[in-house]
Amino acid sequence: SYVLSQPPSVSVAPGQTARISCGGDNIGLKSVHWYQQKPGQAPVLVVYDDSDRPSGIPERFSGSNSGDPATLTISRVEAGDEADYYCQVWDSSSDHYVFGPGTKVTVL
Amino acid sequence: QAQLVQSGAEVGKPGASVKVSCKASEYTFNNYFIHWVRQAPGQGLEWVGSIKPPRGGTNYAQKFRGRVIMTSDTSTTTVYMELTSLRSDDTAVFYCARELGFPDSWGQGTLVTVSS
Repeated sequence: SYVLSQPPSVSVAPGQTARISCGGDNIGLKSVHWYQQKPGQAPVLVVYDDSDRPSGIPERFSGSNSGDPATLTISRVEAGDEADYYCQVWDSSSDHYVFGPGTKVTVL
Repeated sequence: QAQLVQSGAEVGKPGASVKVSCKASEYTFNNYFIHWVRQAPGQGLEWVGSIKPPRGGTNYAQKFRGRVIMTSDTSTTTVYMELTSLRSDDTAVFYCARELGFPDSWGQGTLVTVSS
């Protein structure tokens, strides 16, 4: 089965840039989606199809996927960005959704 | 904006079953898959499976096959997930989510606690 990897944690100072990686076999051939989850809340989609943003998501959130790994970038980090972030793809070989293990972003 | 409202917390005994509902509104119910995702306490997101109204075609994760049953009711625009043969490690929050090529709208989550 397809496996995604993410760093367990990323720490960043306010105003700086956070980069969260998502690795997987030939991930550049897949569409990667990213979710933000704050404690006690449902996940929220922040980037879809590698680099598109849903309406209402700040431009500070951007994504790229030109190969292993895919990356979610949060520019000008704010305290409110502190959350867990998950990448997700659809594995065509198994017809299953796959989530990464998640990355906890801490704002220093 | 699609809305998904889930039923309240459930408690089930080991070996028993629980059934969680997810009522959809503000979009055409029959046009989209609904997925279920599990999150154990302090853990990550785990895909359980999906269902496509109105015919109810399902796709379950290998881990849950034989224990999960997903159904849909177009008259009430509600999707159900029943988890059988409950174990202690099934204690988790279960989310439903609408698929737009990816899960774009999520329910608020339902806590299922397995306890004797």
